[in-house]
Amino acid sequence: QVQLQESGPGLVKPSQTLSLTCNVSGGSTSSSGSFWHWIRQRPGKGLEWIGYIYNNGATKYKPSLESRLSISLDTSKNQFSLKLNSVTAADTAVYYCAGENAASGIGSFDYWGQGTLATVSS
Amino acid sequence: DIVMTQSPDSLAVSLGERATINCKSSQSVLYSSDNKNYLTWYQQKPGQPPKLLIYWASTRESGVPDRFSGSGSGTDFTLTISSLQAEDVAVYYCQQYYSTPYTFGQGTKLEMK
Repeated sequence: QVQLQESGPGLVKPSQTLSLTCNVSGGSTSSSGSFWHWIRQRPGKGLEWIGYIYNNGATKYKPSLESRLSISLDTSKNQFSLKLNSVTAADTAVYYCAGENAASGIGSFDYWGQGTLATVSS
Repeated sequence: DIVMTQSPDSLAVSLGERATINCKSSQSVLYSSDNKNYLTWYQQKPGQPPKLLIYWASTRESGVPDRFSGSGSGTDFTLTISSLQAEDVAVYYCQQYYSTPYTFGQGTKLEMK
């Protein structure tokens, strides 16, 4: 069973960069055809897909975040990361990393981390 | 972007009764080449990540009780819980994965009457 765990600082100052890492166990980030996603949930709100990285390093981002966002992959550590720069209070959210099962198709999220709250505040 | 709209926003159902949640997409999520609807349903309980219940609009994820069922095609979809149990109290989301950016409905809060 694939398990994911997010880590990163809980508090980030406005205009700085939010950096989060997702450690994957029970599966491999280098598996052929695997996609790894970041999703966020603002307090009391719904779910927002942020972007994904494919096992070959190709990425796809939500257009409204693309200018500030970078997702990277470290297959040697079996982890992937998110960097969101120039953050504002609107980026305060629980950030989830998620993975897929090939049976359910690209873009469905079978496996989720527990989520990490990132608060943007001075 | 494909906009997903759920109805109702909240729903109160008695124990053992049927619960029905609707989801409408702003464009079809039926992919003609494989005749599959790229639509999932998730359940989220407080303080937990979402849990995948249904994919391809009607296929239950392994381990999901058979009281949960999904139906619909194209732009209109339904999640049905045939006999509500206490542990089903949660927020339910639909999501399209037909095209990026993947988008979710606003959520439906299901409570016990």
